[in-house]
Amino acid sequence: ILNVEQSPQSLHVQEGDSTNFTCSFPSSNFYALHWYRWETAKSPEALFVMTLNGDEKKKGRISATLNTKEGYSYLYIKGSQPEDSATYLCASPNQKVTFGTGTKLQVIP
Amino acid sequence: GAGVSQSPSNKVTEKGKDVELRCDPISGHTALYWYRQSLGQGLEFLIYFQGNSAPDKSGLPSDRFSAERTGGSVSTLTIQRTQQEDSAVYLCASSLGWGARTEAFFGQGTRLTVV
Repeated sequence: ILNVEQSPQSLHVQEGDSTNFTCSFPSSNFYALHWYRWETAKSPEALFVMTLNGDEKKKGRISATLNTKEGYSYLYIKGSQPEDSATYLCASPNQKVTFGTGTKLQVIP
Repeated sequence: GAGVSQSPSNKVTEKGKDVELRCDPISGHTALYWYRQSLGQGLEFLIYFQGNSAPDKSGLPSDRFSAERTGGSVSTLTIQRTQQEDSAVYLCASSLGWGARTEAFFGQGTRLTVV
C-alpha cells in the first residue's frame, strides 16, 4: 500500500443495521491514523486519532480499531441512524495529513 | 477565534482573474493545511505550513497557485489567472503541531466558482 485507501466507496444501510468500513495505509513509518466524519455542507470533524497498534477507540455507537503492522483500520457503526449519513475519511499523517477518498454512508430510515 | 475561519465563504470570479482566499487558524495552532475538493472528488492536499514556512508545496496544482502565511497565523491562498478547473471548495485546517498526532480542525471552506 503506497497511499491511503478506503473501501467501500459508498454504502447504503437500513436504519438500525450495524456496518463497518476499512482504511488501508502504508504500514512503514507509521505515525498516526485519523478518522473524520464529513457531513454534507459542513466541514470534516475528527472522530478519532489513533497511534498505537491494537488501539480501539469508541465514541457513542462508533468505534475504530487499528492494526499498524498490517496497515489497516476499521470503523464500526452500531445501530446506524439517519444522522450517521456522511462521508467518513481516514487520514495517515506524516507531515501533510494525507486523506483517503472516503466512504460515503447513507442510512435509509 | 474559537474555530478556523475562512473567507469569503463563496466566490464567483471570471476566468483569467486572480483570487485570494483567506484562512484564520485556531489561535496557537502552528500547523496549517490547505485542501480542495473538486466536484465528485475527495480531498486533495495542496500545501501545509509549519509556522510561516511551507516545507511541502508538492500538492500545488500549477505555478498559478501560491500561498503564504504571516505571523504564524493568517494564511492566504492565491490563484492567478483562474481557470474553470479551479472551481472547487477550498478547505483550510489547522492543528496544534506538525506531524499531526493531534486532530486537524477544518474551516467551513470557500466555494470558488470560475465562470
